[in-house]
Formats: sequence, structure tokens, C-alpha cells
Amino acid sequence: EVHLVESGGDLVQPGGSLRLSCAASGFTLSSYWMTWVRQAPGKGLEWVANIKQDGSLKQYVDSVKGRFTISRDNAKNSLYLQMSSLRAEDTAVYYCATTARGYGDIDSWGQGTLVTVSS
Amino acid sequence: DIQMTQSPSTLSASVGDRVTITCRASQSISSWLAWYQQKPGKAPKLLIYKVSSLETGVPSRFSGSGSGTEFTLTISSLQPDDFATYYCQQYNSYPLTFGGGTKVEMK
Repeated sequence: EVHLVESGGDLVQPGGSLRLSCAASGFTLSSYWMTWVRQAPGKGLEWVANIKQDGSLKQYVDSVKGRFTISRDNAKNSLYLQMSSLRAEDTAVYYCATTARGYGDIDSWGQGTLVTVSS
Repeated sequence: DIQMTQSPSTLSASVGDRVTITCRASQSISSWLAWYQQKPGKAPKLLIYKVSSLETGVPSRFSGSGSGTEFTLTISSLQPDDFATYYCQQYNSYPLTFGGGTKVEMK
């Protein structure tokens, strides 16, 4: 059974940086595309970034391009999201997720980690 | 970017009702559409992918249909566990985008 556990969420000041981690278990991470999705408080879902199985292809939503970097370490069964130049509008619960079929439908989700950007 | 528009934004229904949620894409997305259910404080759950394929373990009262730009999620007989918010999502092209959500509440 796929199990995803996010960590690293915190309160950070505008302009600051944060690194989110996602520990994966129950499946072979290197076989799956991985995804970060976020949800601002009381709002809908927003896809943030995707990364291919071997890390060779990454996609980002425009609002985070140049500020966020998705990466993975398949040997450590881990997915990461490095976030910099954080803004108040980045405040959200960040979910780590799998796209097992590789097409973009998101089949397994972690429980999420809260990032709050505020002074 | 492809915009996804759901309607209604809120739906009041009773147990046993047939419920239909509509999702419209701003351009054709072929069959690359998924539906999710989310309950308060929980992660979303995939219900349907590729318009009409039921995810493993999802009850058969959930069904999806449509093509191109117009899609529907139908719950044939609403159960107490189905009161939640539902989102559509296109994965035809990047950026992947979600609809704004439909909250199904108790009448």
C-alpha cells in the first residue's frame, strides 16, 4: 500500500525559504511520477509541480517557476520541494502525491504539511 | 492554461438522491479528466480517471461521462459518506488544473 508522509511545513517570513520532504513507502518510488499539490486555507486545489521517475523532467505552475524546485532521491525513497522567495500567497497545505499511471491523474496522497508565510 | 469550471459550487441533497456535477473545460481535453472527493481536513481521494474509469475500491454508485469540454460526475444514490467537496481536474496539458469544487451538503 502506498504511504506518503510530508514534513517540513512551518511558519516562515515573506522572502524566506523552506524545504518540504515526502517519505514514500509501500511502493517503488523510482517507478512513479511524483507530484506536489497545494491548497490554500478554505480554497481549492492547485497543482504545483511534477517530476518524472528519474528526475529528468520537471514541470511547474507559472506562479512558482524560478522560486520552487522539485527533486527526488529514489535511493532514499524521498521527494522534496525546495521553496524560496516565499510569498503570503504560498500559504497552503502542501500534499505529496503519486501519479502511478504517469498521465497526471493523482492516485495517492499524503496527509499534507502546512506552510504559513507571514511576518 | 486550461480553465476548469464546475457547477454548481454548492449542491443541497438528501440521502438517496441522484446527484450530478458538471465540469467544463475552456478547451478540449479529450478524455484526460479525473474526479476527486475531499472531506474536511483530509487529503483528496481519486474517484474516477480518464473520464469514466472507476478507481479501485470506489463504489459503483459513482460514475463519470463526457468528452471534449463537458463532463459530469454522477452519484446514483447519495449515501451519508458522500457529503464532501468534489473536484474535477484536467491532465491533458500543463499546467494541470482543477475546477473550483462542488460542495455536496445535506438538504
